[in-house]
Amino acid sequence: DAGVIQSPRHEVTEMGQEVTLRCKPISGHDYLFWYRQTMMRGLELLIYFNNNVPIDDSGMPEDRFSAKMPNASFSTLKIQPSEPRDSAVYFCASTTGRGVGRSYEQYFGPGTRLTVT
Amino acid sequence: TQLLEQSPQFLSIQEGENLTVYCNSSSVFSSLQWYRQEPGEGPVLLVTVVTGGEVKKLKRLTFQFGDARKDSSLHITAAQPGDTGLYLCAGDQSGGYQKVTFGTGTKLQVIP
Repeated sequence: DAGVIQSPRHEVTEMGQEVTLRCKPISGHDYLFWYRQTMMRGLELLIYFNNNVPIDDSGMPEDRFSAKMPNASFSTLKIQPSEPRDSAVYFCASTTGRGVGRSYEQYFGPGTRLTVT
Repeated sequence: TQLLEQSPQFLSIQEGENLTVYCNSSSVFSSLQWYRQEPGEGPVLLVTVVTGGEVKKLKRLTFQFGDARKDSSLHITAAQPGDTGLYLCAGDQSGGYQKVTFGTGTKLQVIP
């Protein structure tokens, strides 16, 4: 079974440009998460969805960030306009949400390394 | 304030040595996961512990959940270069949400 798929793997863009990151979760998983990882702040949860509905977006840094999940097999994280401080690795993860304890086990994609110059 | 503190932050050891990594909190967790992340990849789940005092083994890795479910440890016996990576613990405080809090991470380097 395919794992979580993210694209692109690397993105280099100039400040002010729009950036769109894409994620395909594992089939059958009801929850999807977007994280950002930096050396300074570690792994931070940005937003998560349950059955395509955003549940908690309190981690989204500011209005420049938006996320959508139009169907169970696709989600996007958009940054517009991008800034150099957005440079980080962005991960998508999914989980089934079922089973005591195991419902919190997350399966991560390979990440998108974003560099904003 | 970081909910889950891991120690040490960095660890560099020789192949064959033993080591222990700690994950501590003042909060009680319903379950706790350990992940390993290799450079350029996403974190990969190693284990989940749910019961206070629980011990789980994964080959040379031994995971323990504290009796009060506030802390956890990961012990590696006879470390191998393949164990190199960033080790992350993650805990959930339940409440019906699938949101977990990730620890600060321990970066392990095993030198051949």
